[in-house]
Amino acid sequence: DIQMTQSPSSMSVSLGDTVTITCRASQDVGIYVNWFQQKPGKSPRRMIYRATNLADGVPSRFSGSRSGSDYSLTISSLESEDVADYHCLQYDEYPYTFGAGTKLELK
Amino acid sequence: EVQLVETGGGLVQPGRSLKLSCVASGFTFSSYWMYWIRQAPGKGLEWVSSINTDGGSTYYPDSVKGRFTISRDNAENTVYLQMNSLRSEDTATYYCAKGGGLGCWGQGVMVTVSS
Repeated sequence: DIQMTQSPSSMSVSLGDTVTITCRASQDVGIYVNWFQQKPGKSPRRMIYRATNLADGVPSRFSGSRSGSDYSLTISSLESEDVADYHCLQYDEYPYTFGAGTKLELK
Repeated sequence: EVQLVETGGGLVQPGRSLKLSCVASGFTFSSYWMYWIRQAPGKGLEWVSSINTDGGSTYYPDSVKGRFTISRDNAENTVYLQMNSLRSEDTATYYCAKGGGLGCWGQGVMVTVSS
């Protein structure tokens, strides 16, 4: 199975910060990585698809990038509504696998 | 507006069965693969199953293979998850999701497996 090693597991952040979360794939997954935001008690919301594409309605301060087997989600100028859990997903091959998640917390 | 509404969750004893339903609206259901994903309390997300557009192909991780069955009724815009031989480790919120990129998720339904 493909492992998605997500880091950090948690991050203490301030409003206005630039935040980067990374997932490293254990095998080549090409562009088939998505990023999801999840707020407490809510279902996940897709933010980035195919590694670098902004999903509909997602603010432009969110971006996705890829460098080799490393996939990153960057939030520029963090706003209070961005404080949430974030999950990466590889869907290049079965079984689909998620990263363990990153929890953003305000300082 | 795309909507996915899951039902059928609840408390069930180990070894028993439960069937979840997910009713879709706001898109051409028969054109999309559908998925089930679960999240144990306080834990991360786990893909549970996939089904293609006509229901002829299904996929599962080893953790549920042979116990869970995904199916769909395109006339009713509904995808199902039949869960048999339930274990305590199946306790989770179960979400259905639309499309290969999991672009839209339902609100989730809680399944608790406990005696």
